[in-house]
Amino acid sequence: GAGVSQTPSNKVTEKGKYVELRCDPISGHTALYWYRQSLGQGPEFLIYFQGTGAADDSGLPNDRFFAVRPEGSVSTLKIQRTERGDSAVYLCASSLQAGVARETQYFGPGTRLLVL
Amino acid sequence: QKEVEQDPGPLSVPEGAIVSLNCTYSNSAFQYFMWYRQYSRKGPELLMYTYSSGNKEDGRFTAQVDKSSKYISLFIRDSQPSDSATYLCAMAGYSSASKIIFGSGTRLSIRP
Repeated sequence: GAGVSQTPSNKVTEKGKYVELRCDPISGHTALYWYRQSLGQGPEFLIYFQGTGAADDSGLPNDRFFAVRPEGSVSTLKIQRTERGDSAVYLCASSLQAGVARETQYFGPGTRLLVL
Repeated sequence: QKEVEQDPGPLSVPEGAIVSLNCTYSNSAFQYFMWYRQYSRKGPELLMYTYSSGNKEDGRFTAQVDKSSKYISLFIRDSQPSDSATYLCAMAGYSSASKIIFGSGTRLSIRP
């Protein structure tokens, strides 16, 4: 079956621009997660959704970052006024439900963001 | 100090060797312990999951958790070239079970 898909696979932008990153979770998965992975580091939690609502957004680094999931399926991570330090791989994951660590999170291939 | 510490490697071993990967952590609230494998330019995939202390075996893989020492390990027996990847340890607490904290990953290379 189809896994988690993310678009675009690569994004190059200039400092100060706005970007949107899209995530399509596995069908039927109610929980959706966003992570950021810098070179040589493990994924860093940003935010997760249970359904349409953000259940935990404590990992968003500042108010330039925002994520939505209006219909409880596709999610968009939005970054305003991009900075060079935002360059990283942005990973999306989904699971059948949230709040239960044993629920496997299935990761997409990521969007590689480069801010020039 | 990071909540989860992991030696970044790289670690290179010959095919057939036993591989030992380790992480230490500082947050005593962690109850769930996981190992993920990540191939180049791919997302992580879950290998092993353990709740609290103890051992768990799945084929050539064995995960160990020692909560008293705040130390977890992953052993790979009869290592294969296809095991070459980055291995990430990961942990979560009971009250925040969906918020997984990852180690920085160990790059492993198995030489044919």
